[in-house]
Amino acid sequence: EVQLVQSGSEVQKPGESLKISCRCSGYSFTTYWIAWVRQMPGRGLEWMGIIYPSDSDTRYNSSFEGQVTISVDKSVSTAYLQWNSLKASDTATYYCLRVMSLGAGWFDPWGQGTLVTVSS
Amino acid sequence: QSVLTQPPSVSGTPGQRVTISCSGSSSNIGSHNVYWYQQLPGTAPKVLIYRNDQRPSGVPDRFSGSKSGTSASLAISGLRSEDEADYYCAAWDDRLRGPVFGGGTKVTVL
Repeated sequence: EVQLVQSGSEVQKPGESLKISCRCSGYSFTTYWIAWVRQMPGRGLEWMGIIYPSDSDTRYNSSFEGQVTISVDKSVSTAYLQWNSLKASDTATYYCLRVMSLGAGWFDPWGQGTLVTVSS
Repeated sequence: QSVLTQPPSVSGTPGQRVTISCSGSSSNIGSHNVYWYQQLPGTAPKVLIYRNDQRPSGVPDRFSGSKSGTSASLAISGLRSEDEADYYCAAWDDRLRGPVFGGGTKVTVL
C-alpha cells in the first residue's frame, strides 16, 4: 500500500525555524515527484512546490519561492518542508502528495496533513 | 482568489442529483485534464475523478465528471449523507507552470 505519513502538529513562535517531514512507503520513492500544498484555516488548497527525489530537481510556486525550502533524503524516502523564520500567516495545514504525472493536477495519495500553528 | 472558479456551496436532499462547476481558461482546463478531490471533514483530500471522467477503483459510480472547453463539472447522483464534504477541481496551468485548484465547493445534504 502506498502511504505518505507526515510528522505531527507543531506550535511555534514567530521568527522560529521549522522543518516538517513526509515519509513515503509502498512504492519507488525516486520515481515520482512529491508536492506540498497549503490549506489555511477555512480556505482552499494552494500548491507550494514540487521536488523530484531522484535528483532533487525542485520547482516553486512563485508565491512561495524564498519563503520555504523543499528537500528530500533518499536514504529514508522522506520529503521535507522547511521555514527559516515563521510568520503568523504561515498558520495552516500542510499536505504532501505524490504527483502521479508531471504536467497534470493528479495527486494520489495525500499525506494526512501537518497542522502548523504560529503564535506568540 | 483561486485560478479555477467553483461555487462556494451546493445543497440537495437525499437521492437528488447535484452538479459542481469548475471554470478555468485556455492555459489550464482548456489544455489539460481535470481532476476532482473530495475532502471529508477533518481528513485529507482524496482523488475522486482523474483525467476528466475516470473513477479510481472504489469510487461509486454515483460520481461522474465531464469537461468541455475551459469548464468542467462533477455530478453526484443519488445524493447520500456521507457525500457531505468539500470538493475541489484541479488542473495543470501552463502560464503558472504548476497545478492550480478551485476554491472548493461545500456539498450539504439537507
